[in-house]
Amino acid sequence: IAGITQAPTSQILAAGRRMTLRCTQDMRHNAMYWYRQDLGLGLRLIHYSNTAGTTGKGEVPDGYSVSRANTDDFPLTLASAVPSQTSVYFCASSETTGGYNEQFFGPGTRLTVL
Amino acid sequence: GQNIDQPTEMTATEGAIVQINCTYQTSGFNGLFWYQQHAGEAPTFLSYNVLDGLEEKGRFSSFLSRSKGYSYLLLKELQMKDSASYLCAVRDRDYKLSFGAGTTVTVRA
Repeated sequence: IAGITQAPTSQILAAGRRMTLRCTQDMRHNAMYWYRQDLGLGLRLIHYSNTAGTTGKGEVPDGYSVSRANTDDFPLTLASAVPSQTSVYFCASSETTGGYNEQFFGPGTRLTVL
Repeated sequence: GQNIDQPTEMTATEGAIVQINCTYQTSGFNGLFWYQQHAGEAPTFLSYNVLDGLEEKGRFSSFLSRSKGYSYLLLKELQMKDSASYLCAVRDRDYKLSFGAGTTVTVRA
């Protein structure tokens, strides 16, 4: 059982380029999330999806977009990357949004925008 | 939104006990989580509290007081492998998690 996979593991990107971070889970979880983690700021929610076909904005959505065409995949797209988007990006999933449902995290993507 | 505060760093000796405090202010509360994150790795779930009181799981315990907006994570019989960051996270009325910046615990021999 793989759990959650993310690709790529790391990436160096020129400013202005478009980039899609991939996230796939095999646990049939309904809810999925994208976070960025920056030193001293902790994890901040970018976008989320409570179920396939729906998405919502988190705390820091500007410059990012997501889609949820099916249960397993939740890609995050940077339309035109900027240096402030340099961060470690974590995808997470949970069975549902409420109750005793912890979020499971993928291994992360380290993105550097130059 | 949420305002979540926890100490930046703590150091303790192998075999000792360490208590990591977390205070929060929230517009709605639907549970508090603690996660462990080793350097360069993903966070992993440790504990969940939604009612007041203590939840015990082996060497780790977590306490919640909703009226005080306060939680702590207690790590007993510290081992070198417990050196990590510990993240306090509050779930709001919309079931979204907000994380504190994390507490880095260093265990010394």
